[in-house]
Amino acid sequence: GAGVSQSPSNKVTEKGKDVELRCDPISGHTALYWYRQSLGQGLEFLIYFQGNSAPDKSGLPSDRFSAERTGGSVSTLTIQRTQQEDSAVYLCASSSRLAVMDTQYFGPGTRLTVL
Amino acid sequence: QKEVEQNSGPLSVPEGAIASLNCTYSDRGSQSFFWYRQYSGKSPELIMFIYSNGDKEDGRFTAQLNKASQYVSLLIRDSQPSDSATYLCAVGNTGGFKTIFGAGTRLFVKA
Repeated sequence: GAGVSQSPSNKVTEKGKDVELRCDPISGHTALYWYRQSLGQGLEFLIYFQGNSAPDKSGLPSDRFSAERTGGSVSTLTIQRTQQEDSAVYLCASSSRLAVMDTQYFGPGTRLTVL
Repeated sequence: QKEVEQNSGPLSVPEGAIASLNCTYSDRGSQSFFWYRQYSGKSPELIMFIYSNGDKEDGRFTAQLNKASQYVSLLIRDSQPSDSATYLCAVGNTGGFKTIFGAGTRLFVKA
């Protein structure tokens, strides 16, 4: 079946502009994660959605970052008033909570460049 | 203290050798443990998961878990240049509702 998809694959924006990044998880996966990965760095957890539960927003670096998940499927990560330090690859992953193991399947990522 | 710690490396091994990657975690109640591989410019992909103490083997890969010592390791036998990548350790926290990733260890396998 189809994997996790993300769009756009690349986004170049000017400092101060808002951006929206989209994630389509694997069909039926109830859990959805957003991560940020700066060049040469590890995965930085941003936010986690699980079914209809309140999202875990503990990883969002500032109030400029927000995310929503509509209908338990597609998710949008919004960054307002972008800063140069926001430049990174934003990765989305989904998993099925039907099994004990939370194996995450990653999308190809969105490379964000803030000029 | 970071929740999941890995040596950033790089770890360099000759082709055909055994590569040993280590990871420690802080949440004693963690129940699930994963190793992901990430090639440069690509997304992470799952190699193995383990949830019981002891060893779990899959081809050239062996995951080892010691909950008492709170560490998990990955052994790669007969290392190949194609194994050169960053290896991410991930730990499912108590309750299993969120997975925490380590920063990753870069592995270089020299031909």
